Amino acid sequence: EPEVTQTPSHQVTQMGQEVILRCVPISNHLYFYWYRQILGQKVEFLVSFYNNEISEKSEIFDDQFSVERPDGSNFTLKIRSTKLEDSAMYFCASRLQGPTEAFFGQGTRLTVV
Amino acid sequence: RKEVEQDPGPFNVPEGATVAFNCTYSNSASQSFFWYRQDCRKEPKLLMSVYSSGNEDGRFTAQLNRASQYISLLIRDSKLSDSATYLCVAGMNRDDKIIFGKGTRLHILP
Repeated sequence: EPEVTQTPSHQVTQMGQEVILRCVPISNHLYFYWYRQILGQKVEFLVSFYNNEISEKSEIFDDQFSVERPDGSNFTLKIRSTKLEDSAMYFCASRLQGPTEAFFGQGTRLTVV
Repeated sequence: RKEVEQDPGPFNVPEGATVAFNCTYSNSASQSFFWYRQDCRKEPKLLMSVYSSGNEDGRFTAQLNRASQYISLLIRDSKLSDSATYLCVAGMNRDDKIIFGKGTRLHILP
């Protein structure tokens, strides 16, 4: 069964450092998403990506965040200068066109120290 | 008003009982609705889609009330393995944004 894969599963970084979280969505999917979940809190929408551009982003997704789909396969989330409050689980998701369900990767746990 | 609202629980329910969750959504333009299940420290996984006519999958029944803008999930004959957080999802037809509720925690008690 096709799945969304994310790497690494856990990343520890120092405050102020840049991190790149990587995702390989399901190959025939057209819409891609990043979500984050701070421990014990809700799954929060960060950004959606379609047709090689951001289609919508939340207020959390400020100038420190960026996304790329560099090669038609990978979908990355970059945080330029990490803060302690960026510590969370980051989930990548993808879905087909149309009102279909989104499939989630297993997540990357980011710990900023 | 929050976009998707759920009772956070926890619901502590004895094994074998029936439990029901409700979820309300604020955007009347939402077109697609789902229930996801999330186990501790894991990713959300689709439990079932929610159709206008209501739908059933084994012990699970989902219903949509567009007039009142709420979605429900009914779990019959609950099992210990049903213990999880249940996330309500409302999405836009353009697929640009999928909004999760905070989730309802369910504990099935032996």
